[in-house]
Amino acid sequence: GESVGLHLPTLSVQEGDNSIINCAYSNSASDYFIWYKQESGKGPQFIIDIRSNMDKRQGQRVTVLLNKTVKHLSLQIAATQPGDSAVYFCAENLSGTYKYIFGTGTRLKVLA
Amino acid sequence: ETGVTQSPTHLIKTRGQQVTLRCSSQSGHNTVSWYQQALGQGPQFIFQYYREEENGRGNFPPRFSGLQFPNYSSELNVNALELDDSALYLCASSFSGRTVDEQFFGPGTRLTVL
Repeated sequence: GESVGLHLPTLSVQEGDNSIINCAYSNSASDYFIWYKQESGKGPQFIIDIRSNMDKRQGQRVTVLLNKTVKHLSLQIAATQPGDSAVYFCAENLSGTYKYIFGTGTRLKVLA
Repeated sequence: ETGVTQSPTHLIKTRGQQVTLRCSSQSGHNTVSWYQQALGQGPQFIFQYYREEENGRGNFPPRFSGLQFPNYSSELNVNALELDDSALYLCASSFSGRTVDEQFFGPGTRLTVL
């Protein structure tokens, strides 16, 4: 399949380590945020979401942190596995709209 | 539950031509959004259709148009193709009720304009 994100920032982590992927969002009026994972040749896959009335949300092996003061999101992946290798995007939703704005993405490489 | 499907998977066109891309939404979803993803970038919102009407539009010219059908499937039409239209076109479906809900993406259509 085609390659997604040829010139994206890359994070390389050892298998079993924790990964932290960061995202700066653009609009202080955004009130809903999603992290997506995109593997080569596929569409983005939902990982976890968070609303602006929260600052932390946990899923299975993933945690999203939201800092509205500095408009920053992070995605933490515990015990990173080879199957986690992909491009990760954050997306923000502007309050009152159904429009999502995606960040530029980060490529995660898991080293065996 | 059937996921989001898109057709065709790949398409090659020449400048000036017109193209139609298709999307079938996930079962139970009434909203379809279209995105353009250039290589190395995040998806860019084109527009959204809710109950057969355009419900929001991004910064794309009028030659990008769409339709949604009673069964909630959707088409994206692009007229007068330009080289910069080469991209992965993604469709996402969701159920839009009182609040924004997560979108489920299809695998995309890779459009190449020569």
